[in-house]
Amino acid sequence: RKEVEQDPGPFNVPEGATVAFNCTYSNSASQSFFWYRQDCRKEPKLLMSVYSSGNEDGRFTAQLNRASQYISLLIRDSKLSDSATYLCVVNIGTGGFKTIFGAGTRLFVKA
Amino acid sequence: NAGVMQNPRHLVRRRGQEARLRCSPMKGHSHVYWYRQLPEEGLKFMVYLQKENIIDESGMPKERFSAEFPKEGPSILRIQQVVRGDSAAYFCASSPRDRGSEQYFGPGTRLTVT
Repeated sequence: RKEVEQDPGPFNVPEGATVAFNCTYSNSASQSFFWYRQDCRKEPKLLMSVYSSGNEDGRFTAQLNRASQYISLLIRDSKLSDSATYLCVVNIGTGGFKTIFGAGTRLFVKA
Repeated sequence: NAGVMQNPRHLVRRRGQEARLRCSPMKGHSHVYWYRQLPEEGLKFMVYLQKENIIDESGMPKERFSAEFPKEGPSILRIQQVVRGDSAAYFCASSPRDRGSEQYFGPGTRLTVT
């Protein structure tokens, strides 16, 4: 089983739609969690950190469920510019972190 | 505040040559990470360094690859005697605190081995 798993998609949604991605992780020692987006042939860019209490940044909401070991990203009112690959990142650590990137979920937002 | 800088952005090497990739972290960041990404694949961790120290090189191939982050100057990822399979995008990231904190990525170096 992979340490971090994401549905590769692609998710094809119309503009204005709400779309949600999940990411599961296998190591209960995971300490910190992030969502990044990566455009084709570009570097990953930090989208947001993920906290147990959940956090929101504009149209984006991230949640962490430690009991079930998954994190989620919700995008409301999708824009064409949201088309990208979304990567979940998990830092696993007890005295020395290991950073694991998910393989990414591809999103296409269409007019 | 300049972001993470990498150079060159594109590098072409013939099989057997050496490739040197450079990374300057964001100002104030002393933690540097190198990742490799093959076409249509995810990011793979290679090495984590702090100034003058390699903290974790568990993702580095045992041969031909080395990394350093000297007291002065950029971090260097060095690949000796390159082979076609080394062709990939190599991304550097830096973070302000330890490995549990968020990482900021440079634009990457695309290495092509002919």
